[in-house]
Amino acid sequence: GENVEQHPSTLSVQEGDSAVIKCTYSDSASNYFPWYKQELGKRPQLIIDIRSNVGEKKDQRIAVTLNKTAKHFSLHITETQPEDSAVYFCAAITGGGNKLTFGTGTQLKVEL
Amino acid sequence: EAQVTQNPRYLITVTGKKLTVTCSQNMNHEYMSWYRQDPGLGLRQIYYSMNVEVTDKGDVPEGYKVSRKEKRNFPLILESPSPNQTSLYFCASSLRDRRTEAFFGQGTRLTVV
Repeated sequence: GENVEQHPSTLSVQEGDSAVIKCTYSDSASNYFPWYKQELGKRPQLIIDIRSNVGEKKDQRIAVTLNKTAKHFSLHITETQPEDSAVYFCAAITGGGNKLTFGTGTQLKVEL
Repeated sequence: EAQVTQNPRYLITVTGKKLTVTCSQNMNHEYMSWYRQDPGLGLRQIYYSMNVEVTDKGDVPEGYKVSRKEKRNFPLILESPSPNQTSLYFCASSLRDRRTEAFFGQGTRLTVV
């Protein structure tokens, strides 16, 4: 079936450095790719998303890039801060548009 | 306040004792779904519903049931819970256009002993 692979599973960076999380998807019909942030003990919340008709989207320190040919997309966080520490999930619309399939998550730790 | 509400937040039960986790949203969303979250496996979809009386299996539906009799409610039913259903469960809702934000409930931590 359709799946979404996410790497790395854990990522440690120094405060101020950049962090990059990568995902690949298998369903060539996927056309929507959101990213969710889950802080410890909290629910996942949308931080940014991108649709298949654009290659890049930016919101302050966060950006997402999409390569439809290679079927991969990435989350870029610049100037990381301790409050960026969380689990990040990528996702893709699959199943003919009926399902939102998540990656396995990346635990990001921003160290002082 | 727009929200998705799950109950209970925490539940410890014994194998085989039927239980229901409720989910309610006040945003008039057509689409609702249930996920389970397990370490290293991310969020896996159990069931989803496109609208009232329309439900379909997700990726891990075995051992679960759902119903959608009203637009706002989407309960998750475990007829005979087993220890492998110990997990963190999330309900989520979104507009009919799936290319929009999914709003999650606060989660239900279920332990089956």
